[in-house]
Amino acid sequence: EAGVAQSPRYKIIEKRQSVAFWCNPISGHATLYWYQQILGQGPKLLIQFQNNGVVDDSQLPKDRFSAERLKGVDSTLKIQPAKLEDSAVYLCASSLGGPGTDTQYFGPGTRLTVL
Amino acid sequence: AQTVTQSQPEMSVQEAETVTLSCTYDTSENNYYLFWYKQPPSRQMILVIRQEAYKQQNATENRFSVNFQKAAKSFSLKISDSQLGDTAMYFCAFMNNDMRFGAGTRLTVKP
Repeated sequence: EAGVAQSPRYKIIEKRQSVAFWCNPISGHATLYWYQQILGQGPKLLIQFQNNGVVDDSQLPKDRFSAERLKGVDSTLKIQPAKLEDSAVYLCASSLGGPGTDTQYFGPGTRLTVL
Repeated sequence: AQTVTQSQPEMSVQEAETVTLSCTYDTSENNYYLFWYKQPPSRQMILVIRQEAYKQQNATENRFSVNFQKAAKSFSLKISDSQLGDTAMYFCAFMNNDMRFGAGTRLTVKP
């Protein structure tokens, strides 16, 4: 069974530029999560989708971050404009069941460096 | 709000020895899940073990086992017969409606 796929693996941008990350969850998984992991810290949830609806985006900085999950499968996370403090690894995860009910499986992550 | 605390930023163990990683959490919920994830230098977060709060029996997965003390809100991970491949960051996580992670413990297995 294929795992969670993410691209790109690495991205370097200048501050104030925009960037987008892509995630393809495990086939059949209803729930998709985006996390931000700053160096030396544990992952922090940004947003979670169940199918194509947002369940929780309370920790997403909505002035600059946006995310969508069209057709309830793939998802994109966008940052516009980026700030230096956005430098982090962005992890995507998926679970078969709904939020809070099932094990989450993680992708390899995208390492973002903002200069 | 639920918080997860890992009090050991770094630990080391000799190959073939046993090591225990500590985790405590704070919650007023009665039903929840606890996890240990492993993150090797390659960065892929891998599930190590999972514990449902309603189960009194401690979870085990081969060389990995937990000591779940619900009243004390403690969830430690024991790794037996440590292997070089166990070198990684280990994150404890609490899940109710969402997942909260601790800051991690960096484990080094020495030959």
